[in-house]
Amino acid sequence: EVQLLESGGGLVQPGGSLRLSCTASGFTFSSYAMSWVRQAPGKGLEWVSAISFSDDTTYYADSVKGRFTISRDNSKNRLYLQMNSLRADDTAVYYCAKDPATMTTMTPFDSWGQGTLVTVSS
Amino acid sequence: SYVLTQPPSVSVAPGKTARITCGGNNIGFKSVHWYQQKPGQAPVLVIYYDRDRPSGIPERFSGSNSGNTATLTISRVEAGDEADYYCQVWDSNSDHVVFGGGTKLTVL
Repeated sequence: EVQLLESGGGLVQPGGSLRLSCTASGFTFSSYAMSWVRQAPGKGLEWVSAISFSDDTTYYADSVKGRFTISRDNSKNRLYLQMNSLRADDTAVYYCAKDPATMTTMTPFDSWGQGTLVTVSS
Repeated sequence: SYVLTQPPSVSVAPGKTARITCGGNNIGFKSVHWYQQKPGQAPVLVIYYDRDRPSGIPERFSGSNSGNTATLTISRVEAGDEADYYCQVWDSNSDHVVFGGGTKLTVL
């Protein structure tokens, strides 16, 4: 059974940094692309970033480009999201999501974690 | 950037058919995926590649995609289908994943 467990969320001040982690199990993590998707309180889903299976290709939403960095450690079955220069509008539940392919393109997200809440506030 | 437009809400009586639309420029040329999200839970994939159902998703869920509109159809709606539904595509022009704004399905 595929399991994705996010961690690292919490309260951070505007301008601060936070690193999210997603620990994967139940599948061969190194074979699949992964993404981060967020959801602000009471709002819809917003894709944040994607990374290919081998870590050689990354994509970012315009709203986070230059501030967030996605990475992965296939030896540890972990996905990361380094978030810098955080703003109030980054407040959201952050989900990691698995892609059924090696690269995120036309493919869906076939498994999701339960999410971790990031609150940016002074 | 590519925009997907969904109605904010759809209401349907139990046992009837619900249709949730997702509009986008020439969306018929893209692969559309649909997710169901219940309160406090993570999204769940219910339709992928326009019309395919993952294992475990009831046959009551179906999808279509043509022209400028993709549609998620839920037949014989049950109270348990009440949820938010999101469509999603890949925009190759921007290399971005795009979600629709979501539709809240209410079962009367």
